[in-house]
Amino acid sequence: KAGVTQTPRYLIKTRGQQVTLSCSPISGHRSVSWYQQTPGQGLQFLFEYFSETQRNKGNFPGRFSGRQFSNSRSEMNVSTLELGDSALYLCASSRDRQNEKLFFGSGTQLSVL
Amino acid sequence: GESVGLHLPTLSVQEGDNSIINCAYSNSASDYFIWYKQESGKGPQFIIDIRSNMDKRQGQRVTVLLNKTVKHLSLQIAATQPGDSAVYFCAENTEGYSTLTFGKGTMLLVSP
Repeated sequence: KAGVTQTPRYLIKTRGQQVTLSCSPISGHRSVSWYQQTPGQGLQFLFEYFSETQRNKGNFPGRFSGRQFSNSRSEMNVSTLELGDSALYLCASSRDRQNEKLFFGSGTQLSVL
Repeated sequence: GESVGLHLPTLSVQEGDNSIINCAYSNSASDYFIWYKQESGKGPQFIIDIRSNMDKRQGQRVTVLLNKTVKHLSLQIAATQPGDSAVYFCAENTEGYSTLTFGKGTMLLVSP
């Protein structure tokens, strides 16, 4: 069974630009979560989607958004990029039972110059 | 202002030793806990989980202990190997669904 796939693996952008990251969950998994990982803040929850609906949201500005498609694939978008948005963005999926482990992809490393 | 990087606690052990990594959590309503291992350049990898109705769970070479009284979680790794070198995160779930809150992590360094 293929794992969680994230594309692209690396991205370099400049301040003010926008970026879209993609995530394909494990087959059969309907819940997709996004996390931001930085050396300063660790792993922080961005949002979680289930059946194309955002079910939970972390404490991030509105520049961070996401969506989920009918095949459970998900994208997240960051608009008006800031230097502080440089981070590893991790996607995770689960089948969606209560209290269930998440399976993570390898992440997209975003550098904002 | 100048940003301060996260200083990860580090545990250095010799190959073959037993390792114990600790984690304190703050939410007494947390009912599910997970340990993840993250190697450089990779996403977190599931190691073992435990529900709040248990206080101990064993896997292959790993044991998780949960003390709800003092809100403490530990991961024990037996016969630690160089391949165990990584950052280890504990995570807790109180929301019912797929929202984990992660601890800051501990770096484990295993020398041959």
